[in-house]
Amino acid sequence: QPVLTQSPSASASLGASVKLTCTLSSGRRSYAIAWHQQRPEKGPRYLMNINSDGSHSKGDGIPDRFSGSSSGAERYLTISSLQSEDEADYYCQTWGTGILVVFGGGTKLTVL
Amino acid sequence: EVQLVESGGGLVQPGGSLRLSCAASGFTFSTYWMHWVRQVPGKGLVWVSRINSDGSSISYADSVKGRFTISRDNAKNTLFLQMNSLRAEDTAVYYCAAGVTYWGQGTLVTVSS
Repeated sequence: QPVLTQSPSASASLGASVKLTCTLSSGRRSYAIAWHQQRPEKGPRYLMNINSDGSHSKGDGIPDRFSGSSSGAERYLTISSLQSEDEADYYCQTWGTGILVVFGGGTKLTVL
Repeated sequence: EVQLVESGGGLVQPGGSLRLSCAASGFTFSTYWMHWVRQVPGKGLVWVSRINSDGSSISYADSVKGRFTISRDNAKNTLFLQMNSLRAEDTAVYYCAAGVTYWGQGTLVTVSS
């Protein structure tokens, strides 16, 4: 099964931009991933899918401030014009053999 | 409006059983692969099980294989997770997800004596 690696934490100032990274394990650089947001005490919320070519499709109602990109084995989530409500845990996720779901360890984003 | 509402969680003793339900509305339930994902409070998301749209294909994480059973009733737009032989390490919030696009708010399962 693929392994997804995320930095445990990130921080950025209100109004600034931040780029979160999700790294696919060796040999999996063609895999698509999804990003999910989880605010404190809430269920996860799907943000977008990102393909290996960087094309991405966002979920319903996801603001334009959220965008995705790709480079090699890395998949990125960029959040611009950071707002306090963006403070959350962000998980990347992909699919293994048999449509099994694999999650990264999550990145806790702090908005300063 | 899409809604996934989990129920059935609670406190159970080790070795006991629980049946979780997930009621779906606002989308065509019968066309979605459905998943159960759990999260120990303060920890990350962990996939538990999935079932395809008509129930003919099912998979489980190794940690629950042989103890948990996923099923669905497309006529009632409901997903189930039967959990037997529960262990302390099964304590978590359990989320249902539709194709990982839609998520519920979760139900807490606590396994403790």
